[in-house]
Amino acid sequence: EAQVTQNPRYLITVTGKKLTVTCSQNMNHEYMSWYRQDPGLGLRQIYYSMNVEVTDKGDVPEGYKVSRKEKRNFPLILESPSPNQTSLYFCASSLTYNYGYTFGSGTRLTVV
Amino acid sequence: AQTVTQSQPEMSVQEAETVTLSCTYDTSESDYYLFWYKQPPSRQMILVIRQEAYKQQNATENRFSVNFQKAAKSFSLKISDSQLGDAAMYFCASHFSDNAGNMLTFGGGTRLMVKP
Repeated sequence: EAQVTQNPRYLITVTGKKLTVTCSQNMNHEYMSWYRQDPGLGLRQIYYSMNVEVTDKGDVPEGYKVSRKEKRNFPLILESPSPNQTSLYFCASSLTYNYGYTFGSGTRLTVV
Repeated sequence: AQTVTQSQPEMSVQEAETVTLSCTYDTSESDYYLFWYKQPPSRQMILVIRQEAYKQQNATENRFSVNFQKAAKSFSLKISDSQLGDAAMYFCASHFSDNAGNMLTFGGGTRLMVKP
């Protein structure tokens, strides 16, 4: 089944404790992206990648890191999480820039 | 800056009736793509429909259709014969051609309730 897989689905952590949210797609998509969803704000892009080893900042990159060492994987790293990073996070992938994204199931992150 | 606006935070519709969700956007680009996504309580984001700005014909997908008014920069979603399973958050989104990195710009969302 073609899909984007994110893990974990739920995560509660403490301020400052490094964490990684994994994302993997099995559709051989070139484009991958991370979004965060907050009430009333819709989804905002954090980072994106157009291919292996090619990543760049989106609208709200502060406090996040990403890497794209393999085409299928695009992990999101929070080096020192803070409470304002409490949010719902989505990984997504796309074959081309105008085709529309396939989204993962989301990761609900709470930082206390 | 490119923006997408959904002015209706909540809408409700009676089962089997028709409802229209509004979306407006602001861009100076002539080439772009517009999308509607559905987010049910499971929180999965599901692509509902896609419109290419250079096509005048409105996109349709079964009970879902759009009213694309390029001059007015409006992209509304019409749901016909509403079903209980249509209850969800709906997000309008756009990809503008000058956006590096394939970024989708999202509106704030409209919560649709379907009454039996």
